[in-house]
Amino acid sequence: DTGVSQNPRHKITKRGQNVTFRCDPISEHNRLYWYRQTLGQGPEFLTYFQNEAQLEKSRLLSDRFSAERPKGSFSTLEIQRTEQGDSAMYLCASLAGGKSSYEQYFGPGTRLTVT
Amino acid sequence: TQLLEQSPQFLSIQEGENLTVYCNSSSVFSSLQWYRQEPGEGPVLLVTVVTGGEVKKLKRLTFQFGDARKDSSLHITAAQTGDTGLYLCAGAHGSSNTGKLIFGQGTTLQVKP
Repeated sequence: DTGVSQNPRHKITKRGQNVTFRCDPISEHNRLYWYRQTLGQGPEFLTYFQNEAQLEKSRLLSDRFSAERPKGSFSTLEIQRTEQGDSAMYLCASLAGGKSSYEQYFGPGTRLTVT
Repeated sequence: TQLLEQSPQFLSIQEGENLTVYCNSSSVFSSLQWYRQEPGEGPVLLVTVVTGGEVKKLKRLTFQFGDARKDSSLHITAAQTGDTGLYLCAGAHGSSNTGKLIFGQGTTLQVKP
């Protein structure tokens, strides 16, 4: 399967704990995006990378959130000191870049539940 | 703040009926995508429209991008139970070239047998 993959698919954690999610994009895609989706809403942009460079962060991304893409391939999103309001689906998407730089392909998401 | 307003938010119809979902904004988008999402899964790309006035067809689905590239519609002919899901429109803003998408809140479609 050459699509976007995310791990884990589900994560239940207690408030105050740290969690880390991983995203493996489509191999030839140089742009990688993170979004967050709460129930009944569309996804909201969090941050994106072009290769290993993090080029934009949303105001939604508080200081407790950090994302990396160290080698320009997979990416991780870490949430420190989780809060109940962090409960959401975290989605990763990748985009080829270049002339057809419109189409983002999403992974299956990581569902985070903070208790 | 750019917003994409989708309507209706919820639609329940019988199999065989036709329906249209609308996506409207006051902002101009360089491209607009439509996605379909099932519970617990990520959005799956259905179509991308780029040119004002563009119409694309995908089997029973017809997508249109407004002339001013501010709005779009999705029309489904003879809906089937397999069409059930959350339909999302998402626009990419032209000036920034970041590719980040602004999503509508989605339209939940339920097609009953």
